[in-house]
Amino acid sequence: EAGVAQSPRYKIIEKRQSVAFWCNPISGHATLYWYQQILGQGPKLLIQFQNNGVVDDSQLPKDRFSAERLKGVDSTLKIQPAKLEDSAVYLCASSPQRRRELGYGYTFGSGTRLTVV
Amino acid sequence: AQSVTQLGSHVSVSEGALVLLRCNYSSSVPPYLFWYVQYPNQGLQLLLKYTTGATLVKGINGFEAEFKKSETSFHLTKPSAHMSDAAEYFCAVSDRNAGGTSYGKLTFGQGTILTVHP
Repeated sequence: EAGVAQSPRYKIIEKRQSVAFWCNPISGHATLYWYQQILGQGPKLLIQFQNNGVVDDSQLPKDRFSAERLKGVDSTLKIQPAKLEDSAVYLCASSPQRRRELGYGYTFGSGTRLTVV
Repeated sequence: AQSVTQLGSHVSVSEGALVLLRCNYSSSVPPYLFWYVQYPNQGLQLLLKYTTGATLVKGINGFEAEFKKSETSFHLTKPSAHMSDAAEYFCAVSDRNAGGTSYGKLTFGQGTILTVHP
């Protein structure tokens, strides 16, 4: 079974520039998550999709972050404009559709390491 | 709001010694509980999980964890550390309702870096 694919692996940008990350979940996984992991901290959920609908975006800084999941498959996360504090690893994860199965954990991608200078 | 506390941001053990990484959660309804491992420049790999049933769960690489409801804890152990165990370990929880349905979102602790000395 192919894993969760993310690109790019690394990105360096200047503050106030824009950047986009891409995620392709495991085939058949209806739920997709974006997490932000700042150095020295645990991952924090930014947004959760169920198919192409948003379930939870309460911790997404909507003034600069946006995310979409067209056709309920792959997803993009965008930051515009970037700030120094956005430097982090952005992790994508996916999980099966049935609600009880959500409790059985899910699969993470390798992440995109963003450095804002 | 749910919170997860991992006691000790750094733990150092000798090869062959017992590994004990501590995790406590805050919710009143026992959540689903997970331990993940993260090697440098890699994503998160699931070590083990507790959902229902036996409170002592075994995972990959010889790790195990015990869910103690009275202590709201889910500590991770391994009887004998190996050099390859050196990594960062995260405890995570997924809240669920009384019927057992998870809300999906994972809340993570701040992580514990495990160092193994020869």
